[in-house]
Amino acid sequence: EVQLVESGGGLVQPGGSLRLSCAASGFTFNNYWMNWVRQAPGKGLEWVANIIQDGSEKYYVHSVRGRFTISRDNTKNSLYLQMNSLGAEDTAVYYCGRVDFSGDAVGHWGQGTLVTVSS
Amino acid sequence: QSVLTQPPSVSGAPGQRVTISCTGSSSNIGAGYVVHWYQQLPGTAPKLLIYDNSNRPSGVPDRFSGSKSGTSASLAISGLQAEDEADYYCQSYDSSLSGYVFGTGTKVTVL
Repeated sequence: EVQLVESGGGLVQPGGSLRLSCAASGFTFNNYWMNWVRQAPGKGLEWVANIIQDGSEKYYVHSVRGRFTISRDNTKNSLYLQMNSLGAEDTAVYYCGRVDFSGDAVGHWGQGTLVTVSS
Repeated sequence: QSVLTQPPSVSGAPGQRVTISCTGSSSNIGAGYVVHWYQQLPGTAPKLLIYDNSNRPSGVPDRFSGSKSGTSASLAISGLQAEDEADYYCQSYDSSLSGYVFGTGTKVTVL
């Protein structure tokens, strides 16, 4: 069974940093593109970043470029999101997701981890 | 502010058919990029419902169907059931933004 379990969320002050992790199991992790998608409280979904199987290609939504870094460790079956210079607008539940089918549909999702940016 | 526009809400009685539109532009749906649809039940993670415009993953009932034409896409739910009450989102790629975009989301209410 495919499982994605996020961790690392919490309360952080504006300007601070946080590193999210996503532990993958039940599939061959290094065969798949992976995504981070976020959802602000009471709002819709927003794609944040994705990364190719070997980590050599990474793409970001404009609002996080230069502040967030997506990475993966295929030896640990883990996906990461390093978030720096956090602002209130980054407050959201962050989901990791596995890309399936055509190459950009998120077929499997984790349960999410909440990041709250507040003083 | 999303570049894919959906109606905020749709409703229908049990057994009825409802449709949700997803209106884009020439830089996303109209450029030929595929559309995916997700269902998000209250308090849970999204679930893939339709991929590549009209395909259902294994386990998704055939009551759900997707289509695409021009700069828009649609999700239809036939034989509406109480368990279909959820938020629904479309997703595509946008070449002007060089990234993926989700629709504004639609809340489906079963009367």
